Amino acid sequence: SQQGEEDPQALSIQEGENATMNCSYKTSINNLQWYRQNSGRGLVHLILIRSNEREKHSGRLRVTLDTSKKSSSLLITASRAADTASYFCATDGGTGGFKTIFGAGTRLFVKA
Amino acid sequence: GAGVSQSPRYKVAKRGQDVALRCDPISGHVSLFWYQQALGQGPEFLTYFQNEAQLDKSGLPSDRFFAERPEGSVSTLKIQRTQQEDSAVYLCASSLGRTEGEQFFGPGTRLTVL
Repeated sequence: SQQGEEDPQALSIQEGENATMNCSYKTSINNLQWYRQNSGRGLVHLILIRSNEREKHSGRLRVTLDTSKKSSSLLITASRAADTASYFCATDGGTGGFKTIFGAGTRLFVKA
Repeated sequence: GAGVSQSPRYKVAKRGQDVALRCDPISGHVSLFWYQQALGQGPEFLTYFQNEAQLDKSGLPSDRFFAERPEGSVSTLKIQRTQQEDSAVYLCASSLGRTEGEQFFGPGTRLTVL
């Protein structure tokens, strides 16, 4: 079973618009990561945010983490057609184990 | 090579056959993960190696699945007596450190069991 649940399942926007994806998880964590997957490049790491951080930026990406609500959001600003992909959040489970738990993903389509 | 490689990229097996999937991680990476990804779903954790030690195999769905990394570099995922429900993409990832951190994924092996 997967821990993370992304919302929405699918999102279609115009180029230049912002895209926001949300992730909820069930257990305590040490960190949360976001990954992107498209047919061309496979799964690629985007950003990692630790449990003691609330917000992190990387280029056009902004990630927030609310451990009290067990949720995270990924914002992509000024989207491009090349951002079309599936986006997954992944958590470490926080139990001291080694398992990485991925959600089912948000499928983003950016129309040119 | 610069990244994680996996072979074969595609594998078609008849039900009941054994298959072996290979992963070449990035040189020097301590951690190695195997995942199974069904169509339209996120990757599901199968097993984790730290060097040659298999520290977590809690995600292996049955005793037909076996993984090894005998010298702490190349890893093989073996599936015995394949079933149709084993059809999926099998992903391998490696990371530099022993615990958390960015995982670098290979392109995957798409297994189809007929």
